[in-house]
Amino acid sequence: AQRVTQPEKLLSVFKGAPVELKCNYSYSGSPELFWYVQYSRQRLQLLLRHISRESIKGFTADLNKGETSFHLKKPFAQEEDSAMYYCALQGAQKLVFGQGTRLTINP
Amino acid sequence: GAGVSQSPSNKVTEKGKDVELRCDPISGHTALYWYRQSLGQGLEFLIYFQGNSAPDKSGLPSDRFSAERTGGSVSTLTIQRTQQEDSAVYLCASSLDRPLANTGELFFGEGSRLTVL
Repeated sequence: AQRVTQPEKLLSVFKGAPVELKCNYSYSGSPELFWYVQYSRQRLQLLLRHISRESIKGFTADLNKGETSFHLKKPFAQEEDSAMYYCALQGAQKLVFGQGTRLTINP
Repeated sequence: GAGVSQSPSNKVTEKGKDVELRCDPISGHTALYWYRQSLGQGLEFLIYFQGNSAPDKSGLPSDRFSAERTGGSVSTLTIQRTQQEDSAVYLCASSLDRPLANTGELFFGEGSRLTVL
């Protein structure tokens, strides 16, 4: 079964502090993983995909197949990073999303 | 418009009534998805269309839920005899092709917020 778990519903950190949003997955094949973000009053949108090995808005995510994890990290949080973050796993014909983590950056 | 369009943006209805939610995908996008977003449940997959056919409708919660797509474009999600637990934001998304061609990029609409009293 394809499953994505985000253990933290809420995460609050201070501006300038490091951020790590956790994501674990369950998938029997070779996983394709993504992070989506929804800022206040905006649409849900793609933040980054692991296959691209890119850094977007200072965020990176490394796929760890041994730990079946795809945690999202940023070394120095900014107030504009406050948003809802969803980890997603590509299934056969759809994306399977986790429950989401609401990140709040305190000034 | 250039993005995925959904209507209505807000719908308040009484328990037992039927509701229809509409999605107009990005022009040229052959794949269309419906998800439900609710507190504590995250984003739940409901149904996927490729063209006018629905190869995966495994996420529809009950037979009160149905969806159709016509002309390879507009889709309608219908909920019959609504219940309070149906209250949620219903999101529609489209993508250029299936099975997402390894891009993983779905383009979402702003959603339809359904409240069942």
